[in-house]
This record gives sequence, structure tokens and C-alpha cells, in this order.
Amino acid sequence: ETGVTQSPTHLIKTRGQQVTLRCSSQSGHNTVSWYQQALGQGPQFIFQYYREEENGRGNFPPRFSGLQFPNYSSELNVNALELDDSALYLCASSLGATSYNEQFFGPGTRLTVL
Amino acid sequence: DQQVKQNSPSLSVQEGRISILNCDYTNSMFDYFLWYKKYPAEGPTFLISISSIKDKNEDGRFTVFLNKSAKHLSLHIVPSQPGDSAVYFCAANPAGNTPLVFGKGTRLSVIA
Repeated sequence: ETGVTQSPTHLIKTRGQQVTLRCSSQSGHNTVSWYQQALGQGPQFIFQYYREEENGRGNFPPRFSGLQFPNYSSELNVNALELDDSALYLCASSLGATSYNEQFFGPGTRLTVL
Repeated sequence: DQQVKQNSPSLSVQEGRISILNCDYTNSMFDYFLWYKKYPAEGPTFLISISSIKDKNEDGRFTVFLNKSAKHLSLHIVPSQPGDSAVYFCAANPAGNTPLVFGKGTRLSVIA
């Protein structure tokens, strides 16, 4: 059984640029949630994708967007990067849209915005 | 407004002793509480959970206590081992189909 993987591990961008982060779900999982973990904070829910549709969103602006593909892998896109977007971005996969309490997290992508 | 608060950023405990990590919450609608452990360069991993209908849940060395009237929960690790050194996050939600709200985490260091 393959766990949740994320790429890249680290990324450095400059303010105003756009970034795409990728996540592969655990085998058999059809739901992906994305979280932002700023330094010294806990993970904060960005949004969830279930069967290729956004199925819930936290308090993040529209420049944070996502995609889920038929193989249930997912992308997080952030446009017009700001310095405060610097954080660890975690994805978590689960089986079913109501399964927030049975999520498996990936190792994260560390994004630095200069 | 932080709905889940972990007021101790760090905790240091000797190997073999008890570690007690605390968590307070403000939302009375929270019905389910989880603890996650996070090692550097890894994602959070689920440790133990408790629903609001219980006041204690035990799994091996780990026990979670819930005091609903005080809106407080705690994670006890007995005995503590060096491998327990990690950041521990408390999380909660009103139901399993709603997003988790996480605390800021407590860094536990178990000293041999």
C-alpha cells in the first residue's frame, strides 16, 4: 500500500509568482484535503476535493485553487504569491468526503516566498 | 479567534516519566477530538481520539481525558520514551464530516 506523497519537497518563489504543488493519494482513497501550516501554527484547512469537485473550503482567498484528477491525485495552485504564503503545505487523503477523522497526511511541501 | 488552544509550546520530560499535554477549546459544538504526532519532515500521524460521549480513551501508553464542562482535554503518555519526542497537535471538529480545527502544537522532548 502506497502512502501519501507530495512534490516537490521544497520550493522557493518570489512575490507575485504562481506555484503548483502536487499530491498523490494513498491507494484506494478518493478524497484529498489541503492544509497550510505556517511557522509556529497548526495546520489550517484550505479545501477538500472529492470525486474531482471542491467539497468544502476554509477561509482562504480565491487565488488558492485546486484540482483533483481521475486517479485522485491532486494539485494546489496559488496565484499572486504573497510573503505570508510561506508555509508548509500538507495534503491528506481519505476515503469518502465525510472522513475528516480518518485522514492520512503526506510529508508536505515547504514553500518559501521571497 | 483560536478555537483550539495548546498553551504550552514545549514540554521536556525524562524518559520513563509521564508526559501530560494539554488542550483547551472554546467551541461547545466540538464533538470529536483527535491527537496527532508529527516528526520533522513527516506529515502528522493520527495517535488517538475521543468523542464527546466519553471522558477517557486508552490505547497502550497513550490515554486521552476529556473534561467537557471545562472544555479541556489532555494526552497522557506513560512511560515516556525518547521516540515520543515530536510535535503533538490537538484537533477537533463538530462532526466527522466537517474540517478539523488544529491547535498550534506542543513540542515534546523526552530526555534519556
